[in-house]
Amino acid sequence: DQQVKQNSPSLSVQEGRISILNCDYTNSMFDYFLWYKKYPAEGPTFLISISSIKDKNEDGRFTVFLNKSAKHLSLHIVPSQPGDSAVYFCAASGVTGNQFYFGTGTSLTVIP
Amino acid sequence: GAGVSQSPSNKVTEKGKDVELRCDPISGHTALYWYRQRLGQGLEFLIYFQGNSAPDKSGLPSDRFSAERTGESVSTLTIQRTQQEDSAVYLCASSFSQTNSPLHFGNGTRLTVT
Repeated sequence: DQQVKQNSPSLSVQEGRISILNCDYTNSMFDYFLWYKKYPAEGPTFLISISSIKDKNEDGRFTVFLNKSAKHLSLHIVPSQPGDSAVYFCAASGVTGNQFYFGTGTSLTVIP
Repeated sequence: GAGVSQSPSNKVTEKGKDVELRCDPISGHTALYWYRQRLGQGLEFLIYFQGNSAPDKSGLPSDRFSAERTGESVSTLTIQRTQQEDSAVYLCASSFSQTNSPLHFGNGTRLTVT
């Protein structure tokens, strides 16, 4: 049973515009959420995280929003750049932090 | 380098053979994870090691899969009698043990079973 879901397999955005990637989860015990970026033939690279005590975390062009009541998080990239083209995975873990559950990924293409 | 190192980067093997994949975690990271990514799918948890505690093997898909870790260093994932459905990228990740510590991944081993 998929506890973390990314319902959009792909997204295309014009360079300079905002990219919004979405993620939903089902387990209310999750309290730590992460986004990873993956280029072909490389491992996922940690991008940004947020704990459940916050609803927003910002790092440069990347902002993660968490809506606990809706069990939804999103990653905003602004402005989008061609180098941002990659597969983005969201992930979640619970109180124990033992297991990280990953979504199936969204492939972002930023068009120059 | 300071990152997670995996070897080999690619492995082609015949169905029925055993394979061994290796992971060197980041120094100081006590937690180590193995994940698998099949073509077109997400990351599938396989096994988790934390210090000297018993590993969490709940994600291993069959008894053909096993993993070991020596202390807080190198880990090996062994697949016996490989099958074609074992073809995937096997990813290793490590982290500090404290809560809210992100995983850091290696570049994976691409396993192809012919």
